[in-house]
Amino acid sequence: DAGVIQSPRHEVTEMGQEVTLRCKPISGHNSLFWYRQTMMRGLELLIYFNNNVPIDDSGMPEDRFSAKMPNASFSTLKIQPSEPRDSAVYFCASSKGIQYFGAGTRLSVL
Amino acid sequence: QKEVEQNSGPLSVPEGAIASLNCTYSDRGSQSFFWYRQYSGKSPELIMFIYSNGDKEDGRFTAQLNKASQYVSLLIRDSQPSDSATYLCAVKDDKIIFGKGTRLHILP
Repeated sequence: DAGVIQSPRHEVTEMGQEVTLRCKPISGHNSLFWYRQTMMRGLELLIYFNNNVPIDDSGMPEDRFSAKMPNASFSTLKIQPSEPRDSAVYFCASSKGIQYFGAGTRLSVL
Repeated sequence: QKEVEQNSGPLSVPEGAIASLNCTYSDRGSQSFFWYRQYSGKSPELIMFIYSNGDKEDGRFTAQLNKASQYVSLLIRDSQPSDSATYLCAVKDDKIIFGKGTRLHILP
């Protein structure tokens, strides 16, 4: 099993640009989670999906953030427009009971 | 607001000794409890989970849960330098909430 696959691993962009992060969950897992991790705030849950349906997006910081899961094997997290305070590591995790994390995307917004 | 509290550390433990990591949580309805290990620059990886009061052992790791006190701990026996990492406690009721983690440093 390849595990949870995230891309890109690193993203450097300028303020105001659109950023799209991608995630492929483990096959057979029915839940998918997007997290953001910073030194100050730790690991924060942004949104999670059950069977491709968004269940709880209360952690999404603001309207600049959006997430989609068009099918069971793919999800995106989009930030438009990006701001320097969005700089963080973004993790995707999938679950069939226990969560397994992807390697993360390190985002730097200049 | 549901909270999971951990001492940020660093917790320094001599090699071969027992490392004890602690976590408290605010939501009495929490049902599942997890310990993740995160090496610097890497993603969290699950090392233990526990659902029932008492102890659960897996190799050098023991998770302890006391729901009455809203307390969960992780013991690492015979600590090794490779155990040096940040340990995240996570608690799940309707959704999972992570603590900010405790940095553990095993002294050779």
